[in-house]
Amino acid sequence: QVQLQESGPGLVKPSETLSLTCDVSGYSISSGYYWGWSRQPPGKGLEWIATIYHSGHTYYNPSLKSRVTISVDTSKNQFSLKMSSVTAADTAVYYCARGATVKAWFDPWGQGTLVTVSS
Amino acid sequence: QSVLTQPPSASGTPGQRVTISCSGSSSNIGSNYVYWYQQLPGTAPKLLMYRDNQRPSGVPDRFSGSKSDTSASLAISGLRSEDEADYYCAAWDDSLSVVFGGGTKLTVL
Repeated sequence: QVQLQESGPGLVKPSETLSLTCDVSGYSISSGYYWGWSRQPPGKGLEWIATIYHSGHTYYNPSLKSRVTISVDTSKNQFSLKMSSVTAADTAVYYCARGATVKAWFDPWGQGTLVTVSS
Repeated sequence: QSVLTQPPSASGTPGQRVTISCSGSSSNIGSNYVYWYQQLPGTAPKLLMYRDNQRPSGVPDRFSGSKSDTSASLAISGLRSEDEADYYCAAWDDSLSVVFGGGTKLTVL
């Protein structure tokens, strides 16, 4: 079955760019579906960040759009997230997930990776 | 402040029926499907309900979803200790974004 695994630095300095990758196994991204990122600050709720269609069409959270880029690399069967000018408020567990539609249907999710923004 | 409003907590005893509400607006719940996620302690969210009231394979029929106008509900009957988790509602908003509720922490007493 399809599995997703996030990877990237666990510590990022303020004002720098956060870069995460989601490796997909058990399914070829080029075959279809949407692929998304969400995050969860410690002790808080979920926040959607961005979604990308396998063909490259993107959707962004309006509140984060100016700082976020989502991309897909079908040759590596992975998709990525870049978030610029990070602050302590961006400290969170970041999850990647497969989207059955562009809407809020995410299944399955990766296990998540904690990113801490600190100097 | 989340776009979708959920009660921060809910509780029940084993065997009881518990309901968790999710309130939105015409631009999200009122015009799009609602999804529910279960997040067990220390784990990633898991899809619990899709398209308002459809259960993915493997989700017990103790879980049910409903929607009316701009509100949705998740009901859990025959409450079990393993149901203790955080529950989130989500929906597409016509502003072209996914919105989540703030989450409800369910405690099984």
